[in-house]
Amino acid sequence: EDQVTQSPEALRLQEGESSSLNCSYTVSGLRGLFWYRQDPGKGPEFLFTLYSAGEEKEKERLKATLTKKESFLHITAPKPEDSATYLCAVRPLKAAGNKLTFGGGTRVLVKP
Amino acid sequence: DGGITQSPKYLFRKEGQNVTLSCEQNLNHDAMYWYRQDPGQGLRLIYYSQIVNDFQKGDIAEGYSVSREKKESFPLTVTSAQKNPTAFYLCASRQGPSTGELFFGEGSRLTVL
Repeated sequence: EDQVTQSPEALRLQEGESSSLNCSYTVSGLRGLFWYRQDPGKGPEFLFTLYSAGEEKEKERLKATLTKKESFLHITAPKPEDSATYLCAVRPLKAAGNKLTFGGGTRVLVKP
Repeated sequence: DGGITQSPKYLFRKEGQNVTLSCEQNLNHDAMYWYRQDPGQGLRLIYYSQIVNDFQKGDIAEGYSVSREKKESFPLTVTSAQKNPTAFYLCASRQGPSTGELFFGEGSRLTVL
């Protein structure tokens, strides 16, 4: 069974305090790993897609990396506007309907 | 601007009533999905449709129904058979089979009174 586990569940940071979020996955073949940002009461917003181990993607203060078993989302010098829930999802090779399997998310709060 | 529109944003329902959540997209995407989100849990797939007039059950389809009569529309009905319908419902679409990322609407929050 495909599984995605995100840790920690919640993270409190001071503005400028860099940190990393973890996404561990178990799939029978990975076709892609996705990171999303979700603000309260809103739909998830797409951030990155990673396809193979060793791949990295960056966007402003966010950097996503991928290994064969996990992905990290690094937040460098965060600002209060980076406060959100970050979701990780995987697309297994043989997923019916090309569906994504999501983790529970990490709630990030950045204090000024 | 292209996007996915969900309505209503908030909906209250009495027990025993069916309600329908609307999802419309103008992205010309082939595939559409309905997910349910509960606090502290990952998004769970209810139904999906890859082409018009065809749809498949997801992981938690019991108590829900859908239709896909038009490419741009994928409404979800929450029936009285759904035992715990209070949740945040998200509609998403994907351009084609070779692309992986989903694009989401703003969500609909259903509360059963």
